[in-house]
Amino acid sequence: QVQLVESGGGVVQPGRSLRLSCEASGFTFRSHGMHWVRQAPGKGLEWVALIWHDGGDKNYADSVKGRFTISRDNSKNTLYLQMNSLRAEDTAVYYCARDLSWNSYYFDYWGQGTLVTISS
Amino acid sequence: DIQMTQSPSSLSASVGDRVTITCRASQGIRDYLAWYQQKPGKVPKLLIYASSTLQSGVPSRFSGSGSGTDFTLTISSLQPEDVATYYCQKYNSAPLTFGGGTKVEIK
Repeated sequence: QVQLVESGGGVVQPGRSLRLSCEASGFTFRSHGMHWVRQAPGKGLEWVALIWHDGGDKNYADSVKGRFTISRDNSKNTLYLQMNSLRAEDTAVYYCARDLSWNSYYFDYWGQGTLVTISS
Repeated sequence: DIQMTQSPSSLSASVGDRVTITCRASQGIRDYLAWYQQKPGKVPKLLIYASSTLQSGVPSRFSGSGSGTDFTLTISSLQPEDVATYYCQKYNSAPLTFGGGTKVEIK
C-alpha cells in the first residue's frame, strides 16, 4: 500500500533553516510528481511546492519562493523540502502528497504530516 | 493568480439532508477542480477530481459538477461520518490554490 512518511519537523528560531524529508513506499516513486502542502494551526490548506517525477520542473507558492527548495532522490524514494530564512508564518503541519501522475497537479495520497514551529 | 472562494464557510444540517457547497474561481479553470475531505484530526482525502469524477472508494452520495468558474460539491444524504471540512482545489496550472474550506456539522 502507498505510504508517505514525513520527518524533520521541530521547533526552530526565526531566520534559521530546516530540512523536511518524505520517504515513499508502496508505489513507483519515480513515476509520480510530488508536492508539499502545509496547514497552519486551525487554518486551511496551502500548497507549497511541486516537483515533477524526474525533477525536471519545480514550482513554488509566492509565499515561499526564494526561501524553500523542493528536491527528490528517486534512488532513495525520498522527497525533500529545504526551508531557509524561516518566519513565524511558516509554522504549520507540512504534508507531502503524491500527484496522481507525473503532472496531474492534484493529490491522491497524503502523508501524516510533520509539525514545524517557528518560535524564538 | 487565480483565487478560489468557497461558500458557505460553515454549515449545519440534519442527517439525511442534501448539502451543497460551492466553489468559485476568479478566472476560468475549465474542469481542473478537485475536492478533498478532511475529518477532524485527520489527513485530507481526495473525493473528486476533474470537477465530477469520483475517486475510487468514495461513496456515491458525493457528487461534483461545474466548469469554468463555478463548481459545486453535493452530498445527497448527509451521514454522521461526513462531518468534516471540505476544500476545493484548482489544478489547471501552478500555483495550485485551495479554497478556504467549508466546515460541515450535524444539526
